[in-house]
This record gives sequence, C-alpha cells and structure tokens, in this order.
Amino acid sequence: GAGVSQSPSNKVTEKGKDVELRCDPISGHTALYWYRQSLGQGLEFLIYFQGNSAPDKSGLPSDRFSAERTGGSVSTLTIQRTQQEDSAVYLCASSPLWASGNTIYFGEGSWLTVV
Amino acid sequence: AQSVTQLDSQVPVFEEAPVELRCNYSSSVSVYLFWYVQYPNQGLQLLLKYLSGSTLVKGINGFEAEFNKSQTSFHLRKPSVHISDTAEYFCAVSDLMNTGFQKLVFGTGTRLLVSP
Repeated sequence: GAGVSQSPSNKVTEKGKDVELRCDPISGHTALYWYRQSLGQGLEFLIYFQGNSAPDKSGLPSDRFSAERTGGSVSTLTIQRTQQEDSAVYLCASSPLWASGNTIYFGEGSWLTVV
Repeated sequence: AQSVTQLDSQVPVFEEAPVELRCNYSSSVSVYLFWYVQYPNQGLQLLLKYLSGSTLVKGINGFEAEFNKSQTSFHLRKPSVHISDTAEYFCAVSDLMNTGFQKLVFGTGTRLLVSP
C-alpha cells in the first residue's frame, strides 16, 4: 500500500486477555518501529527492527510485551495479560533504512482500550 | 540520553495570527531535530527536519523552524495560521542507542487550537 497500515484500528479488550496488533510497513522499508502514545503523554519508543539484525527491545515496558517481524515485512506486537495501564494508541512506523535523519513514516495507530 | 521539552501543552490562537510553538532539547555534540504534526484521528506526519546547514528550516504548510544551538531550541513558527492547522505538534530529537541505531525521542506535544 501507499502508507504504513495498522490493524485493528480500534480494539477493546478485557483485562487479562492477550491482544495482537499488526503493522504492514511501506513496501521496501527495512526499518520498522513501534511507539506507544498514552493520553497526555508523548510518544514512547517500544521496539525497533532493522533488516535481519536483532531487534532493539530496550523500550518494551515489561515482559508482557513482545514483537516479531516475519519475513522482514509485517510485524505483530503482542501484549499478554493486558492491564488497564496498557490502554493507549500503538503507533507503527517504517523508514527505508535507518540512517541519521531519514524520515520515519507513521501509521494511523491502533487504539487499545483495556476495560 | 536525549530529551525534549515542549513547555506549552496547549496554544490557542486566532485565525490569521502568527504562532510559535516552543521546543527545547538536551544538549549533544550533534543533533538531528524534527517536527511532526498529528491531525485528529490520524498518524504523525513530518513537517520539517534539521540535519545540518542553514539554521532556518522550511517545511510543509507554511511552517518553519529555527535551530538555535546556544539556546538548545528548535521553535516552530507560522506567520499566519488557518483553522486547518488545528492539531497536535510534536518535537523530536534523534538519540543514538548503544546498539548503534538512532531512535526518535519525542516531546509531550503541543495542541494548537485555531479559532475564527
């Protein structure tokens, strides 16, 4: 597609359930990022994938969060045993190659509400 | 690690008036700076970026920003705003990780409210 595609756009889940959020980056982009945007907060870095290199997971808030990227393209962010504080917008982004100053393109986000 | 401060959480302004959205970053030897805009229910869109060279950077939709190294600032300006400029604006700085890759560190955002 023309841009970064994320699904679902909205997800309401019960506390304790697992959720999966999907990201389809721009074709040809080797770098993929996940950010989290909580109400009244800035954007919090979660994880970064670059080609076949090991991902940088330094931003994941707990071991309930994990992400994978299959075939160097589509990525899935999984949150296990969701908590209310996980409610946020999860933004995926991609760029052709992380070189200093490259533009990162963002998707419209997946709005997660944990009730 | 780099950090970004956007002191104004909300800036109300009348249509056709000038506006300045403030951004300060923590000092570093070299820095790359960005402004992103988020319209309601949409993702982030790059407005402009500073990598090197001229300290005055022009972006889309008539916005510009000035890099000031001595004041560690990168304020965003527009001489005359439109209703359609109502959105959330995020300042960001690149941060070099131990892994060698650079990630964007964002400020908490400034909501620009343009009224008639």
